[in-house]
Amino acid sequence: EAAVTQSPRNKVAVTGGKVTLSCNQTNNHNNMYWYRQDTGHGLRLIHYSYGAGSTEKGDIPDGYKASRPSQENFSLILELATPSQTSVYFCASGETISNERLFFGHGTKLSVL
Amino acid sequence: GDQVEQSPSALSLHEGTDSALRCNFTTTMRSVQWFRQNSRGSLISLFYLASGTKENGRLKSAFDSKERRYSTLHIRDAQLEDSGTYFCAARQGGSAKLIFGEGTKLTVSS
Repeated sequence: EAAVTQSPRNKVAVTGGKVTLSCNQTNNHNNMYWYRQDTGHGLRLIHYSYGAGSTEKGDIPDGYKASRPSQENFSLILELATPSQTSVYFCASGETISNERLFFGHGTKLSVL
Repeated sequence: GDQVEQSPSALSLHEGTDSALRCNFTTTMRSVQWFRQNSRGSLISLFYLASGTKENGRLKSAFDSKERRYSTLHIRDAQLEDSGTYFCAARQGGSAKLIFGEGTKLTVSS
């Protein structure tokens, strides 16, 4: 089973502060994704990446940046955190285009006060 | 508008009964994946389908191969451990983006 590791598992931040969420996958997957999940809702795509050096905007990119410095690592950056960004964030990685199954990390619970 | 619509939004079953969850897509999709989210929040992949059906134990999933506009997840002989929130997610042709439905909250009771 593919392994996707997120850190931290929990984070409390102050409004206006900078937050970086990290994701690491050890399965050499090309595609990586960042989603957020809010209470009672499905997952919404923030940013994704096709490989090292690539970042693409998802459906709700405003207020977020992403960085893919290597095949294994994909970070989500909140330069100026706001309370509306309080959520649970999930990272995922995916196999090649011919077999598109996604594997998720355990999630990061972020609270912005 | 919403491209992936799940139904029902909530479902209560007694142990031993059968039921089905459904996902409708507002446009043709290339593939679908089903997940269960447990009480700790972890997303567990159940099935990935580009067409046809797949079965794993008491779970069976199907993806409409003709028009590619819906998918179903059948649960046979429901057990307490099947409780959780089930999500379907689908991809359009030419896109790497996986679009999620809002989920079905399943509660299995004895």
